[in-house]
Amino acid sequence: DAGVTQSPTHLIKTRGQQVTLRCSPKSGHDTVSWYQQALGQGPQFIFQYYEEEERQRGNFPDRFSGHQFPNYSSELNVNALLLGDSALYLCASSLRGQLEAFFGQGTRLTVV
Amino acid sequence: GEDVEQSLFLSVREGDSSVINCTYTDSSSTYLYWYKQEPGAGLQLLTYIFSNMDMKQDQRLTVLLNKKDKHLSLRIADTQTGDSAIYFCVTSGGSYIPTFGRGTSLIVHP
Repeated sequence: DAGVTQSPTHLIKTRGQQVTLRCSPKSGHDTVSWYQQALGQGPQFIFQYYEEEERQRGNFPDRFSGHQFPNYSSELNVNALLLGDSALYLCASSLRGQLEAFFGQGTRLTVV
Repeated sequence: GEDVEQSLFLSVREGDSSVINCTYTDSSSTYLYWYKQEPGAGLQLLTYIFSNMDMKQDQRLTVLLNKKDKHLSLRIADTQTGDSAIYFCVTSGGSYIPTFGRGTSLIVHP
């Protein structure tokens, strides 16, 4: 089992551009959550997807959007990138109703 | 909103016990968690405790919860160099949205 895989591992974008990050959940998991972790901070919850719909959302602007596919994989899209969007973006998968979430190693996004 | 506070650093000698403390503001948290983050590795769930429990023990790990003071602690017995990592206290409030603290960096000296 490959666990949670995220791509790409690193990305550099220019302010104002758009970016798409990808996540494949652990085998058997149906729920995907996305987090933003700024340097020296704890992860902040962005949103959660289940059955291809956004179920929960944290305090993030509409520039952050997502999608879940029928195979449970997910994408995080960020539009109109700001320098402050530079962070490690983490994906976590779980089985609905289970407490434990498994995290991927993240995508390091740098906005210049 | 929910706030979770942790001290940023803890340094211990190998073989000693480590105690990492956390305070939180949302008294409606149903579950409280401890996650571990090592360089190059993803976040890993260490343990969790239900809000109606005072204590949970799992091998070298002991979690204590004081709901009145909104205080959570993680004790690691016989700390090893492999325990060096960042430990996050995580609460899930009434909305079930998880809130992470800033993390405590545990440094274990041989």
